[in-house]
Amino acid sequence: NAGVTQTPKFQVLKTGQSMTLQCAQDMNHNSMYWYRQDPGMGLRLIYYSASEGTTDKGEVPNGYNVSRLNKREFSLRLESAAPSQTSVYFCASSESRVQNEQFFGPGTRLTVL
Amino acid sequence: QKEVEQNSGPLSVPEGAIASLNCTYSDRGSQSFFWYRQYSGKSPELIMFIYSNGDKEDGRFTAQLNKASQYVSLLIRDSQPSDSATYLCAVNGPNFGNEKLTFGTGTRLTIIP
Repeated sequence: NAGVTQTPKFQVLKTGQSMTLQCAQDMNHNSMYWYRQDPGMGLRLIYYSASEGTTDKGEVPNGYNVSRLNKREFSLRLESAAPSQTSVYFCASSESRVQNEQFFGPGTRLTVL
Repeated sequence: QKEVEQNSGPLSVPEGAIASLNCTYSDRGSQSFFWYRQYSGKSPELIMFIYSNGDKEDGRFTAQLNKASQYVSLLIRDSQPSDSATYLCAVNGPNFGNEKLTFGTGTRLTIIP
């Protein structure tokens, strides 16, 4: 039981390049989330998916797109990376929408030059 | 007013003493409250959750919730150097969106041997 896994662990991009961050969970959770964490800003929600087939914007969705490929997988895409997207990205999942105990993956450290 | 507010610290506590971490929240309708521990360079790890007024104990950790005062705290008894980390408070409530958690910016705790 690996929990929540993310790939890659580290990535360096040039401005304008695109990439997809992958997330998968093996806990049969319905809800999945993408956050970014910046110094002094805390965790900010980018997008979430309350169930397979649905996605919704969070606090900071601009510049990102998501796909809930199936119940296990939730990917985050940067179409044209900008230096402001340099951050640590975390994926999380939750079984219950109401109580919403979220479990986090190990994170992806992204640098955009 | 921030939605979820924590003292950023750093909070320094001698080894063996009680560490007290505090969090206030703005949504009176909030229902679920979580404490995450985050070591430097690692992902947040869920250590406590509380849904009802009062105290909840788990080993050396006690979560305290006072909905009337919109206040949740985490006590760590017999503090150990391994407790040195940033502690994040998170809240789930109808005005935040029941399907989302809102995080504080965290309190950095240092246990002094």
